[in-house]
Amino acid sequence: GNSVTQMEGPVTLSEEAFLTINCTYTATGYPSLFWYVQYPGEGLQLLLKATKADDKGSNKGFEATYRKETTSFHLEKGSVQVSDSAVYFCALVPSYNTDKLIFGTGTRLQVFP
Amino acid sequence: SAVISQKPSRDICQRGTSLTIQCQVDSQVTMMFWYRQQPGQSLTLIATANQGSEATYESGFVIDKFPISRPNLTFSTLTVSNMSPEDSSIYLCSVVGRETQYFGPGTRLLVL
Repeated sequence: GNSVTQMEGPVTLSEEAFLTINCTYTATGYPSLFWYVQYPGEGLQLLLKATKADDKGSNKGFEATYRKETTSFHLEKGSVQVSDSAVYFCALVPSYNTDKLIFGTGTRLQVFP
Repeated sequence: SAVISQKPSRDICQRGTSLTIQCQVDSQVTMMFWYRQQPGQSLTLIATANQGSEATYESGFVIDKFPISRPNLTFSTLTVSNMSPEDSSIYLCSVVGRETQYFGPGTRLLVL
């Protein structure tokens, strides 16, 4: 079946530290991959996405590369800010169904000044 | 992008009662989804709600427990019926946009 596995949180970092949140997936075919972010008190927002192998999604300093050989889509940011504190969800859409998102459990990031 | 609002934003309910959650979108959309996010868990799709037809439920979810209405292209409701503490979750609606799904802010439900 299709599934997404994320590293457990919370991830606690100091401002300007390097961030990596691991995400691996299991899927048949060629899924599209997403990172969503949920800031405190707000709804889920799309952060970035990649639709095929070796694609790199990027937004707001965050990056993730679609690695088919390792079935991974790790989220990275070179220098985090306090305002990046949120819950981050990795998700996929199976190639056979373009609407049904399958989510990981989410990883809470806490950035301290 | 779509702007989605939900009511209520949170509620505390007694077991055995029912709660209806409203979802309003600022544009007409064909497909709306209802998700559940249990504490410490990922988001799980409950059902897909299309206007003019019955909702399609995912495995493990039934209409008697989670009846859904979709009276028009901008509005939907999800009812959580005969609640138990296990229903304590965040319930989110979402719609399909041009590149992704857009989500409402969620309804945080606590059942005592």
